[in-house]
Amino acid sequence: GPKVLQIPSHQIIDMGQMVTLNCDPVSNHLYFYWYKQILGQQMEFLVNFYNGKVMEKSKLFKDQFSVERPDGSYFTLKIQPTALEDSAVYFCASSLAGGGNQAPLFGEGTRLSVL
Amino acid sequence: AQKVTQTQTSISVVEKTTVTMDCVYETRDSSYFLFWYKQTASGEIVFLIRQDSYKKENATVGHYSLNFQKPKSSIGLIITATQIEDSAVYFCAMREGDSNNRIFFGDGTQLVVKP
Repeated sequence: GPKVLQIPSHQIIDMGQMVTLNCDPVSNHLYFYWYKQILGQQMEFLVNFYNGKVMEKSKLFKDQFSVERPDGSYFTLKIQPTALEDSAVYFCASSLAGGGNQAPLFGEGTRLSVL
Repeated sequence: AQKVTQTQTSISVVEKTTVTMDCVYETRDSSYFLFWYKQTASGEIVFLIRQDSYKKENATVGHYSLNFQKPKSSIGLIITATQIEDSAVYFCAMREGDSNNRIFFGDGTQLVVKP
């Protein structure tokens, strides 16, 4: 079936550095999401994105976070600068347009370790 | 207040039996969508089944079915004829309204299926 791909699967960086997490959504999907999961716990919403714009964001989506999807490219989550508490698994998801019944499909996650 | 609550932290069953996982939700919207996902040991998050709030019939997909009790704001997941490979963490999730906005996740229920 269709898959969301996330690159890399694991990223280790020093605190204060910038990191970019990449997501290749399902090709005909138009809505994109980022979620954060710490230690296999609850999935926490960060942001969703449609038509080049942030639609919603949570309190976890700090000023140091940004998202974009240049035409034909990855949907990215950039953190600059990183902090220790940013260590987590970040999941990208995408869904078809067409309403609330479209279940987001998730990638396999990027494990971010901030040292 | 948490919008989606899963009170069962962990359930253990013997294979080939039926298991029910509980989930209650909170919303003021008249239109909403309920989803169940599972997260495997590798971290992969897989969409399983969906219930639309305006549908009275319980959704069924393969050996997954839902017990939707709207007056109780409850959406239980039933897995029949469980298999060892059903062992995973199961997340209940809700989307409010009829657009592609965020979905809220519960804390998850760990299911262990034993031989």
